[in-house]
Amino acid sequence: EAQVTQNPRYLITVTGKKLTVTCSQNMNHEYMSWYRQDPGLGLRQIYYSMNVEVTDKGDVPEGYKVSRKEKRNFPLILESPSPNQTSLYFCASSYRQTYEQYFGPGTRLTVT
Amino acid sequence: DQQVKQNSPSLSVQEGRISILNCDYTNSMFDYFLWYKKYPAEGPTFLISISSIKDKNEDGRFTVFLNKSAKHLSLHIVPSQPGDSAVYFCAASPLYNNNDMRFGAGTRLTVKP
Repeated sequence: EAQVTQNPRYLITVTGKKLTVTCSQNMNHEYMSWYRQDPGLGLRQIYYSMNVEVTDKGDVPEGYKVSRKEKRNFPLILESPSPNQTSLYFCASSYRQTYEQYFGPGTRLTVT
Repeated sequence: DQQVKQNSPSLSVQEGRISILNCDYTNSMFDYFLWYKKYPAEGPTFLISISSIKDKNEDGRFTVFLNKSAKHLSLHIVPSQPGDSAVYFCAASPLYNNNDMRFGAGTRLTVKP
């Protein structure tokens, strides 16, 4: 089954404790991205990757890091999480940057 | 700066009737428009799209209309079914480019049996 998986689905953590949210797709997609969804704001892009070892900032990259060492995986790293990073996070992938995106099920992160 | 706006946070419709979800945008460079549907505890799934060279695109019960002069698009669902109850996101981008895509805040549609 073609899918994008994210782990964990739910995470509660404390300010400053480094965390990683994993994202994996099994569709051999080149393009992957991370979004956060906040009430009243829709989805905003954090980072994207056009292919292996090619990443770039989206609209709201501050406080986040990503890496793309393999085509299928695109982890999101919060080196020092803060409460304003409490949000619902979605990973997405597409065949190319011009194609419709497939989204993962989301990770709800709470930073206290 | 919200470049894509869905001004109705929620909409309730009777089963079998038409659902009309609206979306407005401000950036005249947007050329490609999409609707995504999201169920609780799931990620958004692509529903239908339209490019600026068209003013209408149909896919079964779903039709998207684009009015470029008014910077407005709408999604029509006919007939509405209870399984259509979800949050619908409108998205727009210049050309076909996921990097510059902007999403609206979503409209929660409830279809009552």
